[in-house]
Amino acid sequence: GESVGLHLPTLSVQEGDNSIINCAYSNSASDYFIWYKQESGKGPQFIIDIRSNMDKRQGQRVTVLLNKTVKHLSLQIAATQPGDSAVYFCAENSGGYQKVTFGTGTKLQVIP
Amino acid sequence: NAGVTQTPKFQVLKTGQSMTLQCAQDMNHNSMYWYRQDPGMGLRLIYYSASEGTTDKGEVPNGYNVSRLNKREFSLRLESAAPSQTSVYFCASSRPTGGVYEQYFGPGTRLTVT
Repeated sequence: GESVGLHLPTLSVQEGDNSIINCAYSNSASDYFIWYKQESGKGPQFIIDIRSNMDKRQGQRVTVLLNKTVKHLSLQIAATQPGDSAVYFCAENSGGYQKVTFGTGTKLQVIP
Repeated sequence: NAGVTQTPKFQVLKTGQSMTLQCAQDMNHNSMYWYRQDPGMGLRLIYYSASEGTTDKGEVPNGYNVSRLNKREFSLRLESAAPSQTSVYFCASSRPTGGVYEQYFGPGTRLTVT
């Protein structure tokens, strides 16, 4: 498949370890944040979201943390598996479907 | 459900040629979008359609036109392709969920303009 991010920051993690992927957002008016996973040659896939009135949300093996004070978002993946290898990027929504801004992404490499 | 489908998967055009990228969704979503993705950059919105019969410009609309043919289909047309339009194009659709819009993406069309 084709790489969609040639110069992305890369996080290498041993299989079974936890992964933490960070994202700084820009708009203090953003009220909704989403994490997407994009595997090579595929479209982005929704992982988890969080509203600005929350600071933590948990899903299956994933947790998103939101720090509005420093405009920082993180995605934690527990017990990282080879199938988690992908590019992860955050998106912020400042209101309405046309006001979604996507980050450039972080490449997660899982070492077996 | 097939979700969001896009055709073609790959395309090579010469400068000045025209083509239409097709997108269809079977999730009964009202809103549909076209994005482009370039290396080192996030997804950028080209056009969107809030509902059948309406279309609006996004961040990077120049050189493109769209048609919302019906609720299922949203096409993107390049009238005169330029090398700067070499990119991966993604179509998405969304439904409102508590006031926000969870987007579902297609597999993408990889376009090269020579």
